[in-house]
Formats: sequence, structure tokens, C-alpha cells
Amino acid sequence: DMKVTQMPRYLIKRMGENVLLECGQDMSHETMYWYRQDPGLGLQLIYISYDVDSNSEGDIPKGYRVSRKKREHFSLILDSAKTNQTSVYFCASSLVGNSDYTFGSGTRLLVI
Amino acid sequence: GDSVTQTEGLVTLTEGLPVMLNCTYQSTYSPFLFWYVQHLNEAPKLLLKSFTDNKRPEHQGFHATLHKSSSSFHLQKSSAQLSDSALYYCALDPNTNKVVFGTGTRLQVLP
Repeated sequence: DMKVTQMPRYLIKRMGENVLLECGQDMSHETMYWYRQDPGLGLQLIYISYDVDSNSEGDIPKGYRVSRKKREHFSLILDSAKTNQTSVYFCASSLVGNSDYTFGSGTRLLVI
Repeated sequence: GDSVTQTEGLVTLTEGLPVMLNCTYQSTYSPFLFWYVQHLNEAPKLLLKSFTDNKRPEHQGFHATLHKSSSSFHLQKSSAQLSDSALYYCALDPNTNKVVFGTGTRLQVLP
């Protein structure tokens, strides 16, 4: 079954701690994305990765960085988490040139 | 820049009544338009995608018509079901592979 897997599903961190969100896909999709979802704001693009080590900032990259060392794996890193980074984070993937996204089930992050 | 507007944050209606969720857009190009649906605690999933040849996409009883003259792609269904309760996102791809999402409309169908 083709899917995008996100780990962990739920995470609680203290302000200032580092956070690692992981995403994997088994479809050999070249392009992967990280979004955050907030009520009233919808899905906002944080980073996009076109392939291994080929990453580009999205609309709200500040406070985040990403890593993609294998095509099937895309990580989102928060260095020194802030309370305003409390959100639901979604990873997605797609074939190059195709905007039919497959989303993961999300990671609900609470920063206290 | 490219943008999508969904004016309704919440739409509440009774089972069996017709559904219409509004979506308008702005884009420099001729974009593809999409509707994604997200049920509670699940991932967003593609519901509909506009065609280049003006055909009307349909899925699970939902349909949407791309009107370039009014820059709209409203989502419609003739009869709402309880299981249609979800968050619906309208989105566009301005041919850059970077989809722009609207703020979402939550549809609540009551018995």
C-alpha cells in the first residue's frame, strides 16, 4: 500500500529543546514537502525538497531546517523549539511535475 | 502572487441538503485547481482535480466546475451525508509544483 509515514504522531517538548520530525514514503516520489496546519490559516508550506540534498524554502521557513539524505526520507528539524511552533505538521510527497500530493497522517507537536 | 480564498470557515447543514463550498483564486497562470478533504485526525486526501479540457471532475458524489471567467472552483454535492463532515481545502498549482492551499472550510453535516 503506497503511503507516507510520519513519526511520531504526538510529541511534547519544552521550549528550547530540539525537535526532530521524520517522514518516509515508499513510492519513490522525487518531491517531498513539509507543511504546518493551524486553525484559520490552513496548510502553510515550510520546505520543499526536489530530491536528495536539493531543498528549497517554502513560505514560512524561519525557525526550521530540513534534511534529505535518501529519496524516501525527509526530516524537519526545529532547533530550540518555540511555543509558537505548536502545531500539526504534515509531510507530503509527489512525483516531479505532479501536484497530486500524498499526505502523511501528521505529527501533533506541543511546545510548552 | 497566487492565492486561494475560501470565505466560509464553517458550513453547517442538515443531512440530505445540497452542499456548496466556495473557492475563488488568483493566479498569473492557468493553474490546476484541487479540492482536498481531511476527516478528523486523518491525512488530507485529494478529492478532485480540474481537467485541462474543461471536463467536470467528480468523485464520491462531489463535483466542481472550473470557471476561468470568475476564477472560481466551487465544490458541490446534491445531497449531504453525515460522513461528508470534514475539513475541505481548495488549492491551486500555478504550474510550479508548489500547491497553494486556501484556509479551509469545515463542513458539519447534522442528522
